[in-house]
Amino acid sequence: DAGVIQSPRHEVTEMGQEVTLRCKPISGHDYLFWYRQTMMRGLELLIYFNNNVPIDDSGMPEDRFSAKMPNASFSTLKIQPSEPRDSAVYFCASSYSGTLTWISSYNEQFFGPGTRLTVL
Amino acid sequence: AQTVTQSQPEMSVQEAETVTLSCTYDTSESNYYLFWYKQPPSRQMILVIRQEAYKQQNATENRFSVNFQKAAKSFSLKISDSQLGDTAMYFCAFMKNEATQGGSEKLVFGKGMKLTVNP
Repeated sequence: DAGVIQSPRHEVTEMGQEVTLRCKPISGHDYLFWYRQTMMRGLELLIYFNNNVPIDDSGMPEDRFSAKMPNASFSTLKIQPSEPRDSAVYFCASSYSGTLTWISSYNEQFFGPGTRLTVL
Repeated sequence: AQTVTQSQPEMSVQEAETVTLSCTYDTSESNYYLFWYKQPPSRQMILVIRQEAYKQQNATENRFSVNFQKAAKSFSLKISDSQLGDTAMYFCAFMKNEATQGGSEKLVFGKGMKLTVNP
């Protein structure tokens, strides 16, 4: 498997524009997590899904942020409108909660390479 | 809520030496996992080692080992025979264990510690 795939790797946009970040989890994984990393706040969870259903979105900063998982192989994180304080690295991670060890270690979260977002 | 504290923001060590990174956490949970992740300049998050709280034996992975003190809520990482490739940010992380319900949980991270291995 290619691992968790995120796109784009870098995004530069202007304040007020809509930004969409994309994630493809590892095949067979049933959990998907979106984290944000900033110098001030470190790594923090924004939202996570189990079997495509949002479980905990308490970390989503405000209504400008939304996330969807329309199927097991794709998720998006959208910011509309974007603001300079949204500049950060956004990570997607996936994990497997089952017992089939050939899929992956139980509950180990595998991270994508991240998307570095800069809002001017 | 759980918190993870890494009190040392930065450390440096000479190649081939041993270094210990400290981490403390606070939780009321009795069943959980602890992790150390490495983030090199490429910013990729890489799992270094994991520890299940119910296991008394400290986890080891090649040159990496942990000292898990459950009562003290301490989880330090020891890197033996440091290599230049160990230069990275290191994050300690906590996760509740929802094994009884067959689920997973979010990771709660510390602020990280920058380790530099010098030649």
